[in-house]
Amino acid sequence: NAGVTQTPKFRILKIGQSMTLQCTQDMNHNYMYWYRQDPGMGLKLIYYSVGAGITDKGEVPNGYNVSRSTTEDFPLRLELAAPSQTSVYFCASSTTAGAFFGQGTRLTVV
Amino acid sequence: EDQVTQSPEALRLQEGESSSLNCSYTVSGLRGLFWYRQDPGKGPEFLFTLYSAGEEKEKERLKATLTKKESFLHITAPKPEDSATYLCAVQARTGGSYIPTFGRGTSLIVHP
Repeated sequence: NAGVTQTPKFRILKIGQSMTLQCTQDMNHNYMYWYRQDPGMGLKLIYYSVGAGITDKGEVPNGYNVSRSTTEDFPLRLELAAPSQTSVYFCASSTTAGAFFGQGTRLTVV
Repeated sequence: EDQVTQSPEALRLQEGESSSLNCSYTVSGLRGLFWYRQDPGKGPEFLFTLYSAGEEKEKERLKATLTKKESFLHITAPKPEDSATYLCAVQARTGGSYIPTFGRGTSLIVHP
């Protein structure tokens, strides 16, 4: 049972570089989310999707983009990385009964 | 705007010393309150979902309860392996979608 799989686990980016964080779920959930977690700040919603082809902004979307071409995949794109994007990123999928999270991607922008 | 406040921010207990964590919330049209456990360096792990005031759920040494304004996570006779950050989230229907809003969590340390 893979659940929610995120890659990579760790990444160091230079300012101005771009990258894509991958997220795949095998539970056939319609809802998927991307959160960032900073020390002492809880989970902040970046983007979410209610199904293939449908995405919407969360609380902190600036500097990020997403797509949802399939039910399984929900990649997060960082364009022109900035130090403020240093964080731990979590992908999750859910039913209305609760969410299941990946193990996270620790990103450092230097 | 949905608000979730967890208290205390940090809690230190001796093994066997029971206590409670609090999650107070304001939300328009609650569609579920969730508790998660997060270990260092890992993603949150789902514990409970509560839907209506008066509801209770139990799992091993943990019991979650819900009122119209807050939820409690009661920890009975905790063990060192219960040490983790406990997150609370509320879910409301926003524009036809179900979006959970998280609190900042309570960091629990249980000393042997």
